[in-house]
Amino acid sequence: GAGVSQTPSNKVTEKGKYVELRCDPISGHTALYWYRQSLGQGPEFLIYFQGTGAADDSGLPNDRFFAVRPEGSVSTLKIQRTERGDSAVYLCASSAQVTYNEQFFGPGTRLTVL
Amino acid sequence: KNEVEQSPQNLTAQEGEFITINCSYSVGISALHWLQQHPGGGIVSLFMLSSGKKKHGRLIATINIQEKHSSLHITASHPRDSAVYICAVITQGGSEKLVFGKGTKLTVNP
Repeated sequence: GAGVSQTPSNKVTEKGKYVELRCDPISGHTALYWYRQSLGQGPEFLIYFQGTGAADDSGLPNDRFFAVRPEGSVSTLKIQRTERGDSAVYLCASSAQVTYNEQFFGPGTRLTVL
Repeated sequence: KNEVEQSPQNLTAQEGEFITINCSYSVGISALHWLQQHPGGGIVSLFMLSSGKKKHGRLIATINIQEKHSSLHITASHPRDSAVYICAVITQGGSEKLVFGKGTKLTVNP
């Protein structure tokens, strides 16, 4: 079956603009995670959803970042007033259930803020 | 100090060599993942383990919970094994998020 997909694969924007990044998890996966990976670093946790609700958003760096998952499937990560420091690869992962289960990663969205 | 430390940061080997990548963590964990990331960013989960040892093909992962240490071994390495290998843990008592090491970049030369 289809894996986790993310769109767009690349996004170039100007400082101060608003961007939305989309994640389509594997069908039936209840848990969804967003991570951010800066160049040369390991990924860092942003937020995770169990169903429609954000179970842990402690990794969101500030209030410019927001994520939703209104129907418990597709999720959108929203970044307002983008800054150059937001440039990174944004990774989405999903898993079938939360407890100690394998996470399946999408290909990522490379965001570049000029 | 990062909660998850990997060594070495970079590793270059000749085809056929036995490879070991190490991961140490400083927190209590529920499980540990080994992940593979190829150029271009795609991440694939290789193993998830909470005790003992797992083997898949030429890959072997071990974990020692008491010593808070895990190793990933690659036998008979091949140039197609060249990638970044990342150790990530699920911490105890918290959410199910992964806490990642910085990765080990492996290059296997023919």
